[in-house]
Amino acid sequence: NAGVMQNPRHLVRRRGQEARLRCSPMKGHSHVYWYRQLPEEGLKFMVYLQKENIIDESGMPKERFSAEFPKEGPSILRIQQVVRGDSAAYFCASSRGQGPNYEQYFGPGTRLTVT
Amino acid sequence: TQLLEQSPQFLSIQEGENLTVYCNSSSVFSSLQWYRQEPGEGPVLLVTVVTGGEVKKLKRLTFQFGDARKDSSLHITAAQPGDTGLYLCAGDDNDMRFGAGTRLTVKP
Repeated sequence: NAGVMQNPRHLVRRRGQEARLRCSPMKGHSHVYWYRQLPEEGLKFMVYLQKENIIDESGMPKERFSAEFPKEGPSILRIQQVVRGDSAAYFCASSRGQGPNYEQYFGPGTRLTVT
Repeated sequence: TQLLEQSPQFLSIQEGENLTVYCNSSSVFSSLQWYRQEPGEGPVLLVTVVTGGEVKKLKRLTFQFGDARKDSSLHITAAQPGDTGLYLCAGDDNDMRFGAGTRLTVKP
């Protein structure tokens, strides 16, 4: 059973470009979470999605960031007009459901560098 | 400010020593998870604790959830270089909230 897949693993963008990060959850998982991690810090929750729905985007910056989880295909985290401060590792996690009985499994992350 | 405070932030010990790291909060969590993260990789789940006072053992690792479900500790016995990594605790508060982690280095 394949784990959570993320691609690309590394992404370099110039300021002002768009970054698209993809996440394929584990088989049978319909809940996807995105987190951001800055160097030497823990993970910061960004957004929680189920198929075709955004459930909680309280951690997502109001501008330039968006996320989707279509009926078919991976979840996408999109960052428009990237700035240097967007440089970070972005992790996706998936679970079968929400709550303490459902564990989140993490992907290997996408490391975004904005030059 | 972090919802979950982890201490110490950094810990460097010799192989064979014992250690304890802590995860504290003023909030009550329905569950708490411990993860280990190696450089360049995503966090890997070690354990989930749900019941106040619960103790779980995973080989040389012992996890304890506080009676009030606000804090937790991770104790490692006879640490090995392979235990080196970033140990993160995360509380389930509708969304998962992570501490900043304890970066452990075990020297051979």
